Amino acid sequence: DTGVSQDPRHKITKRGQNVTFRCDPISEHNRLYWYRQTLGQGPEFLTYFQNEAQLEKSRLLSDRFSAERPKGSFSTLEIQRTEQGDSAMYLCASSLEGLGNTEAFFGQGTRLTVV
Amino acid sequence: DQQVKQNSPSLSVQEGRISILNCDYTNSMFDYFLWYKKYPAEGPTFLISISSIKDKNEDGRFTVFLNKSAKHLSLHIVPSQPGDSAVYFCAASRRTSGSRLTFGEGTQLTVNP
Repeated sequence: DTGVSQDPRHKITKRGQNVTFRCDPISEHNRLYWYRQTLGQGPEFLTYFQNEAQLEKSRLLSDRFSAERPKGSFSTLEIQRTEQGDSAMYLCASSLEGLGNTEAFFGQGTRLTVV
Repeated sequence: DQQVKQNSPSLSVQEGRISILNCDYTNSMFDYFLWYKKYPAEGPTFLISISSIKDKNEDGRFTVFLNKSAKHLSLHIVPSQPGDSAVYFCAASRRTSGSRLTFGEGTQLTVNP
């Protein structure tokens, strides 16, 4: 297992189109997180899953955003009717609950550009 | 509401000297703190962490100090190396909230040869 994998690395889309990103976490990790990062800012929390259950969603996650984690493995993040303000780096991270340390391991991100 | 703040957008140091990166937080419920390093076009990489029950944690060249009364933490890198040049993010979490991380804005560290 080489770490958290995200696909695609880059996505350019026209305003109003739908996009979907995929994240494959480290295989034994039961927690999966989505963050968004814009230029000059740190990553901002969007949502997280424990196994297949989505336990928390940020108020940043408007109703155009939906995330799933079927079977508690990979996750998808879909943005419907994209807007220019959605342009950002979307980061996925995973962690293993219960080790006592709770550092999350990040993927390389998907950079979304809405034109 | 910026709960974690890194007030220095950039820091430049000479190779071999100490780098000190600072971070302040406002939420007293945070009980776990982390530093991540990020190179361009890559995701953040975990560097070092500290629990609120400690005031210092050391790992090789990296040491994190936590001052709970001042709600302040710092990362010391000594000796600094050119390969340390990256953006450093401070992050905080509450273990009871699923370990979601709240990040600072980041500090660009440049280590000059």
